[in-house]
Order: sequence, then structure tokens, then C-alpha cells
Amino acid sequence: AQTVTQSQPEMSVQEAETVTLSCTYDTSESNYYLFWYKQPPSRQMILVIRQEAYKQQNATENRFSVNFQKAAKSFSLKISDSQLGDTAMYFCAFMNNNNDMRFGAGTRLTVKP
Amino acid sequence: GAVVSQHPSRVICKSGTSVKIECRSLDFQATTMFWYRQFPKQSLMLMATSNEGSKATYEQGVEKDKFLINHASLTLSTLTVTSAHPEDSSFYICSARDGTGRGTYGYTFGSGTRLTVV
Repeated sequence: AQTVTQSQPEMSVQEAETVTLSCTYDTSESNYYLFWYKQPPSRQMILVIRQEAYKQQNATENRFSVNFQKAAKSFSLKISDSQLGDTAMYFCAFMNNNNDMRFGAGTRLTVKP
Repeated sequence: GAVVSQHPSRVICKSGTSVKIECRSLDFQATTMFWYRQFPKQSLMLMATSNEGSKATYEQGVEKDKFLINHASLTLSTLTVTSAHPEDSSFYICSARDGTGRGTYGYTFGSGTRLTVV
């Protein structure tokens, strides 16, 4: 079974600075998808960024980018120019070809003014 | 973009009663929907996979007779918590994927239902 590990329960960053959230996963499959979801206090799950395992190029979405290291099974999220609205829980997620999506324990990010 | 509507957003029920939660895909057909449970300050735990026109697939440890799932159409899945007890109090979230394969390979989530059993 696939497992997703987020080793940072809580992180904080000053507004406008950069922060990196860590995620590692374990799988024996070669093709899969990885995601970062944001869950603000409203608890609505919002897709931040996704990465297909077969793509070597790291995904980027505006201020959000990932560092995907397939051999190391690592998938970290970098948030640049942090904004107060980035304060939320961030979940790393893994999806296999059976479309099962599994989540890490989450990292609570606080952006300080 | 893809929208999933989940209703109700909050419900309080008495112990022993049943509660139904609906999950609708508003602008796409969802052959598969997923139901998650989230305890306070914890992650989402997959409860079951709901497949249109067939029986749901439950994760290990999830009581299928307590959490009844029905996926009768391509746009609606329901989760019924039967004979609810206080320990069933939680936040329940559904998600769906566009059956035609459009959009992202991720899932669109409903806004969740906070269930409180008193």
C-alpha cells in the first residue's frame, strides 16, 4: 500500500519570504500522480499543484513550485513570496492508476505579517 | 471548472437516528466518487469508493452497514450514516473525478459536512 509522509506538522514563514514543505511517499508503481492540496479554515480542499510521475520537469503554478525527486520518492512544495492568504493546512497526496488518492498527515502553515 | 456540491454543510442529529449526506457533480459526470472522513487537525481518511451503478468499495475497518453509500446516477452519490452515535461525529468530505477524463487528474472536492451526533 502506498504511504505518504509529511514530517513537518507545523511551519511558519514571514510574509513575502519563501517556505518549503516536505513530502515523501512510498510506492512500487512506476506511474502515478502527486498533488498538493490546501485546506484553509473553511475546510474546502483546494488543488494547489499536481505532478505526473512520468514528467521529469517540475510543475510550477505562479508562486508555487515543486521539487520532484522520483528516485528519492520526494515531492516538496515551495511557496515563494508568501502571502497571508497562504495560511492553511497543506496536504500532500498520492494517486495511483486505480485512482485511489491517499493523503499525508498535513502541515499547518502560518504566514506571519 | 468542475464543481462538486455537498449538502448539508452542517447537521446535528440525535443518537440512534440516520443522516444522509449528498454529493453532486454539477457540471460533469462522475463515474467514481470518494468519501473521506476527517477528524479535527488530522488528515483525510478514505472511507469508500462509490461507483455508479455498482456496490461501493469500502476501506478496511469501515463498517459498510453503518456507512451506506449509494451512487445511483452519474451526478449523485449519497452517504447515509445509520444509527448514528457520538463517535460518528466528524467532518465528511466527498470528491469526484470527471468521468470523461477532462480536467486535471486530481479530484474536485465538496465543501464537506460537519456531523455532530448528540
